[in-house]
Amino acid sequence: EPEVTQTPSHQVTQMGQEVILRCVPISNHLYFYWYRQILGQKVEFLVSFYNNEISEKSEIFDDQFSVERPDGSNFTLKIRSTKLEDSAMYFCASSLQGARETEAFFGQGTRLTVV
Amino acid sequence: AQSVTQPDIHITVSEGASLELRCNYSYGATPYLFWYVQSPGQGLQLLLKYFSGDTLVQGIKGFEAEFKRSQSSFNLRKPSVHWSDAAEYFCAVGPTGGGNKLTFGTGTQLKVEL
Repeated sequence: EPEVTQTPSHQVTQMGQEVILRCVPISNHLYFYWYRQILGQKVEFLVSFYNNEISEKSEIFDDQFSVERPDGSNFTLKIRSTKLEDSAMYFCASSLQGARETEAFFGQGTRLTVV
Repeated sequence: AQSVTQPDIHITVSEGASLELRCNYSYGATPYLFWYVQSPGQGLQLLLKYFSGDTLVQGIKGFEAEFKRSQSSFNLRKPSVHWSDAAEYFCAVGPTGGGNKLTFGTGTQLKVEL
């Protein structure tokens, strides 16, 4: 069964460092998403990406964040200068069509710890 | 703005007992509703979804949910819980307008006693 895969499963980084979280969406999917879950809090939407551009983003997704689809298979989330409050589980998701028509499939998450 | 409330943070049930996890939403139009499950070390897996039509929807692993517009609820049920159902369960709603954003509840942690 096709699945969304994320690497690494756990990353520890020092405050102020740049991190790149990687995702391989399901191969024929066209819409891509990042969500995050701070420990004990809700899963929150960060950004959606379609046709090589951001289609929607939340207020959390400020200038420190960027997304990219550098090739035909990877979808990355970059945090330019990490803060302690960026520590969270980050989920990548993909869907064949927009989320109003088809379900989003989620990866297993990357736990980011900023120290 | 749309929102989702899961009133129960933790629930403990005995194996074989029935289960109901509550979800209430706030949304002006007909919502798109989802239940996801997250097992330890796993991603979010879709259990079931409601887009339209029959208000009682069947999902995987023997779960079902009923959409009740009058109560703004979408409660998840299972007649007989198995120990492997222990996990965290998330209700989600969305998206609105032309967007693709899902709005999640805070989750309910289910513990199953043997």
